[in-house]
Amino acid sequence: NAGVTQTPKFRVLKTGQSMTLLCAQDMNHEYMYWYRQDPGMGLRLIHYSVGEGTTAKGEVPDGYNVSRLKKQNFLLGLESAAPSQTSVYFCASNPTGGNQPQHFGDGTRLSIL
Amino acid sequence: GQQVMQIPQYQHVQEGEDFTTYCNSSTTLSNIQWYKQRPGGHPVFLIQLVKSGEVKKQKRLTFQFGEAKKNSSLHITATQTTDVGTYFCAGRTGGFKTIFGAGTRLFVKA
Repeated sequence: NAGVTQTPKFRVLKTGQSMTLLCAQDMNHEYMYWYRQDPGMGLRLIHYSVGEGTTAKGEVPDGYNVSRLKKQNFLLGLESAAPSQTSVYFCASNPTGGNQPQHFGDGTRLSIL
Repeated sequence: GQQVMQIPQYQHVQEGEDFTTYCNSSTTLSNIQWYKQRPGGHPVFLIQLVKSGEVKKQKRLTFQFGEAKKNSSLHITATQTTDVGTYFCAGRTGGFKTIFGAGTRLFVKA
């Protein structure tokens, strides 16, 4: 089992460019999450999904969009990247929500110049 | 909005010393989870506490959930270099969303 796989692992963008981060899980989990991690600020929830075809805003959704067309995949998009979006992005999943541990991917380190 | 505060932000210890990190919420929590993130790695689930006053142990790690279910602690006895990393608490008030604390980064000097 691969668990939660994130691609790419690293990326450097110029301000204004767009990109999509992919998260794939093979555990048949319903819930998936996108977090960003910045020094001293822990993990902040960007968007989440409670099932295929659903998405919802988290704590810091501005500047990001998401899609969950297939149960196993959760995509995070940056339409026009800004330096403030330089961060480490983690995807996580769990079977049915808050009472269960979240399984995290290895993260994507994104730098916006 | 709901916040989960975690202290201290950093802790430097000599190998063999004990370490404690504390987590506090402004509201009552349904449960609290603890995660460990090694340097350069991703958060890994350690344990979940659900009951008021609950205490759980994993070898040298002791986890406590307060009587009012608003605070929690993680204590490591006799730290080892393998304990290095950032420890996060994550609390849930209701529903399914989990709020992560900012984490405590542990440095262990051999």
